[in-house]
Amino acid sequence: EAQVTQNPRYLITVTGKKLTVTCSQNMNHEYMSWYRQDPGLGLRQIYYSMNVEVTDKGDVPEGYKVSRKEKRNFPLILESPSPNQTSLYFCASSLFPSSYEQYFGPGTRLTVT
Amino acid sequence: GQQLNQSPQSMFIQEGEDVSMNCTSSSIFNTWLWYKQDPGEGPVLLIALYKAGELTSNGRLTAQFGITRKDSFLNISASIPSDVGIYFCAGQLEGANDMRFGAGTRLTVKP
Repeated sequence: EAQVTQNPRYLITVTGKKLTVTCSQNMNHEYMSWYRQDPGLGLRQIYYSMNVEVTDKGDVPEGYKVSRKEKRNFPLILESPSPNQTSLYFCASSLFPSSYEQYFGPGTRLTVT
Repeated sequence: GQQLNQSPQSMFIQEGEDVSMNCTSSSIFNTWLWYKQDPGEGPVLLIALYKAGELTSNGRLTAQFGITRKDSFLNISASIPSDVGIYFCAGQLEGANDMRFGAGTRLTVKP
């Protein structure tokens, strides 16, 4: 089944404790991205990747890192999480960078205390 | 920051009614997309629009890419209870590779 998977689905952590949220797609998509969703703000893009080893900042990249060493994986790294990073995070992918029909993962709900 | 203004924020309608929502911007977009998000799930693409003036339907859903390239609307005809959810517009700004999303329209359909 073609899909985007994220892990973990739920995570509660403390301020400053490094964490990684994994994202994987099995559709051989070139373009992958991370979003955070907050009430009243919709989805805001954190980082995106046009292909392996190519990443760019989205709308709200501060406090986040990403890497794209393989085509299928695009992990989101929070080196020192803070409470304002408590949010619902979505990973998405699309076949080509110019194809904006993105497929979203199920989401990761992160709480930083 | 947010560059898409989506309205209304929420709608409460009776089953069978038609629904209309829209997104506007002061900037020009190359692509407009409409997504629906069910509770506890990621957004799912409903309609994609790539040309100014384009009008596209998907079942009871119809969306249009505004001629000025600064707006788009989504209509749902004869709403049913399973239409409940949050609808998002999204777009790719001219000259950019990132995607911008509206804040969403939360739709409630009363049987």
